[in-house]
Amino acid sequence: DGGITQSPKYLFRKEGQNVTLSCEQNLNHDAMYWYRQDPGQGLRLIYYSHIVNDFQKGDIAEGYSVSREKKESFPLTVTSAQKNPTAFYLCASSFSGGPTDTQYFGPGTRLTVL
Amino acid sequence: AQSVSQHNHHVILSEAASLELGCNYSYGGTVNLFWYVQYPGQHLQLLLKYFSGDPLVKGIKGFEAEFIKSKFSFNLRKPSVQWSDTAEYFCAVNAADSWGKLQFGAGTQVVVTP
Repeated sequence: DGGITQSPKYLFRKEGQNVTLSCEQNLNHDAMYWYRQDPGQGLRLIYYSHIVNDFQKGDIAEGYSVSREKKESFPLTVTSAQKNPTAFYLCASSFSGGPTDTQYFGPGTRLTVL
Repeated sequence: AQSVSQHNHHVILSEAASLELGCNYSYGGTVNLFWYVQYPGQHLQLLLKYFSGDPLVKGIKGFEAEFIKSKFSFNLRKPSVQWSDTAEYFCAVNAADSWGKLQFGAGTQVVVTP
């Protein structure tokens, strides 16, 4: 059953702590993305990667970090430097990262900072 | 920087009514255009996309969208909605030279009443 998995579904974090969100895909896609979704603001791109060991900042990368050591995995770390981390985080992948590619989305992780 | 504007944040309509959701973007170059949908409890998924050819594109579940280049618009339509069309709809734009960097609109929550 191909798709994108994100874990955990819900995550709670204390202020000042880093937390890592998992994203795995078995679609054999080269490109992967992280978005943040806030009510009334749509999705905003945090980081993206078109190939293993390479990634680029999106529109709101400050306070976040990523790695892409394997094609299947693209974990996102929300650091303590992120001013307003409470949000819904979506991971996506696409075949090559080309501009006409369809992006396929995971179920999301809802992060709450206490 | 490009931006995407969706005209309505919330739409409530009855079954069998017609639906039209507006989407405008600000970018002067060549663009690729997408509508994504998020049904309650489900992953965000592609409804339809346009990147060249006939400006009237048809998607899944009876949806269609028309690209009007002179108006920088990509409005989504469905002639007769069903209760199962209740969802959040997102317009997204990808400049042709920006690879997979999608810009999303804020989304429109559509509620179809029986």
